[in-house]
Amino acid sequence: RKEVEQDPGPFNVPEGATVAFNCTYSNSASQSFFWYRQDCRKEPKLLMSVYSSGNEDGRFTAQLNRASQYISLLIRDSKLSDSATYLCVVINTGGFKTIFGAGTRLFVKA
Amino acid sequence: ETGVTQTPRHLVMGMTNKKSLKCEQHLGHNAMYWYKQSAKKPLELMFVYNFKEQTENNSVPSRFSPECPNSSHLFLHLHTLQPEDSALYLCASSQELNTGELFFGEGSRLTVL
Repeated sequence: RKEVEQDPGPFNVPEGATVAFNCTYSNSASQSFFWYRQDCRKEPKLLMSVYSSGNEDGRFTAQLNRASQYISLLIRDSKLSDSATYLCVVINTGGFKTIFGAGTRLFVKA
Repeated sequence: ETGVTQTPRHLVMGMTNKKSLKCEQHLGHNAMYWYKQSAKKPLELMFVYNFKEQTENNSVPSRFSPECPNSSHLFLHLHTLQPEDSALYLCASSQELNTGELFFGEGSRLTVL
């Protein structure tokens, strides 16, 4: 089983739609979680951290479910500019390793 | 203006060539990283430096040789590469080691012929 797994997609949604991605992780001792965004042929950029209590930033909401070992990203009122690949990142305290998922591709259509 | 700059942005080299990738961060961070990104695969961590000391070598072949002369600069020396080494090589930095809050450069796209 991969340490961090994401549905590769692509998710094709119309503007204004709400879309959600999940990311599962295998190590129950994982400590910190993040979502990154990567535009086509660009570098990844930190989108938001995922706290135990959840995190909301405008149209974006991130949640952590430790019992089921997954994190989620919800995007409300999708914009064309949200089209990108969303990468899940997990930090494992054992060895302090930063592990990236392969990413979920989102296409928002007019 | 990006806080992490990488040069060159594109590089084409033959299998017998020797070249180097350069990374510079202007953020005052203590940790720097080299990642490899191949199509449809997760980012692969290659090397980690903390306060210019190497802390991790993720089983990377010896044809890749990192160098970190100070906390702001990181190099990746390349020699006798294989076509499967063609990928996007990303440099990143973070304030402290493995915080998860990484700042990436735009990457060096390498093609090995």
